[in-house]
Amino acid sequence: DAMVIQNPRYQVTQFGKPVTLSCSQTLNHNVMYWYQQKSSQAPKLLFHYYDKDFNNEADTPDNFQSRRPNTSFCFLDIRSPGLGDAAMYLCATSRVPTSAHYNEQFFGPGTRLTVL
Amino acid sequence: QKEVEQDPGPLSVPEGAIVSLNCTYSNSAFQYFMWYRQYSRKGPELLMYTYSSGNKEDGRFTAQVDKSSKYISLFIRDSQPSDSATYLCAMVGGYQKVTFGTGTKLQVIP
Repeated sequence: DAMVIQNPRYQVTQFGKPVTLSCSQTLNHNVMYWYQQKSSQAPKLLFHYYDKDFNNEADTPDNFQSRRPNTSFCFLDIRSPGLGDAAMYLCATSRVPTSAHYNEQFFGPGTRLTVL
Repeated sequence: QKEVEQDPGPLSVPEGAIVSLNCTYSNSAFQYFMWYRQYSRKGPELLMYTYSSGNKEDGRFTAQVDKSSKYISLFIRDSQPSDSATYLCAMVGGYQKVTFGTGTKLQVIP
């Protein structure tokens, strides 16, 4: 089945120790997104890639970086995790949005990050 | 004021009840309206989407949009314990950016 896969599902890191989260997709979608979701909060868009074109949200901290080496993979790097970065990180993909169809995003299962 | 407001719940109902979940919004540019279901420790999955005002039905689920009141609803008929999850409304406006509500946690008690 076509899907969005995230690894690892659970990640524990220490305060200030860099961490990388991974996302892969078999949907062949052009657009990939990274969201941060804290408990009882809405998913917050961090950035997205339209093919290789990187789009950062204005309020995404510099501590968060991303790489997309090819269509299938996308990585989220947190350079110096703080306690406030503990959250669920969701990867999503979609076709290129147009005025002809809505922007359905397909989500992976998420990576739950704990910062000690 | 948030662009999308959603009561976080939790909402507890007995099995078989009709559930009503709601969101209000303030941005007139929103064009598409979606409902996602999110089980605990899982990613959201799309349940329904609508474009125009009115009702859209899919099995036990009905999505309703009232653009004049900036109000959307999701109704679940004959609710089942397997419906227990967090339900997120989501809206798409300019530049195809998706804005999510905070989610309503639903528990259906057998």
